Amino acid sequence: DAKTTQPPSMDCAEGRAANLPCNHSTISGNEYVYWYRQIHSQGPQYIIHGLKNNETNEMASLIITEDRKSSTLILPHATLRDTAVYYCIAVNNNDMRFGAGTRLTVKP
Amino acid sequence: GAGVSQTPSNKVTEKGKYVELRCDPISGHTALYWYRQSLGQGPEFLIYFQGTGAADDSGLPNDRFFAVRPEGSVSTLKIQRTERGDSAVYLCASSGSGAWGEAFFGQGTRLTVV
Repeated sequence: DAKTTQPPSMDCAEGRAANLPCNHSTISGNEYVYWYRQIHSQGPQYIIHGLKNNETNEMASLIITEDRKSSTLILPHATLRDTAVYYCIAVNNNDMRFGAGTRLTVKP
Repeated sequence: GAGVSQTPSNKVTEKGKYVELRCDPISGHTALYWYRQSLGQGPEFLIYFQGTGAADDSGLPNDRFFAVRPEGSVSTLKIQRTERGDSAVYLCASSGSGAWGEAFFGQGTRLTVV
């Protein structure tokens, strides 16, 4: 069973920041927060992960609250190609189970 | 190849038949996962291998489903007596031992049972 909850869908204007929330209130101390996305007809693609600290890479930023009960994935300048389903998962020792994710639609 | 390869990309089979789906992980990756995905849903965990052994097969829906990874690289998902409800995209992913959770997925095998 997924340990995270996400809104089923969100819209974002092209060029604006997309902020995707994830609730993981039951996350344990040794579980990492991972984000993946899945573009139509493709396999999921790794985006970013973190444990406690905020993380940034070339794709996105991950903000994790101090109590680790929630996090936000930020795509700083969303493009049409970022339209996808985004999955937030809590991972411990290779246990990777996906929920339904958030369908992000970037609109021109 | 550089990525995870799954064959065939598409498979149509008749109800009651046996099918095998193959996954070639990234070379050197010790962890291998199988998922299945129905339209509009997230990937559903089936089984996870660490090396040759199935570390967690709790997601296999019933005893018609079986997976092997005899040499710790290529894996085969086997489905006996297929049913129409088995129709889905079957995804395989692999990850290195030092980067668990950062998995690389194949393009999937679309299985259609008619």
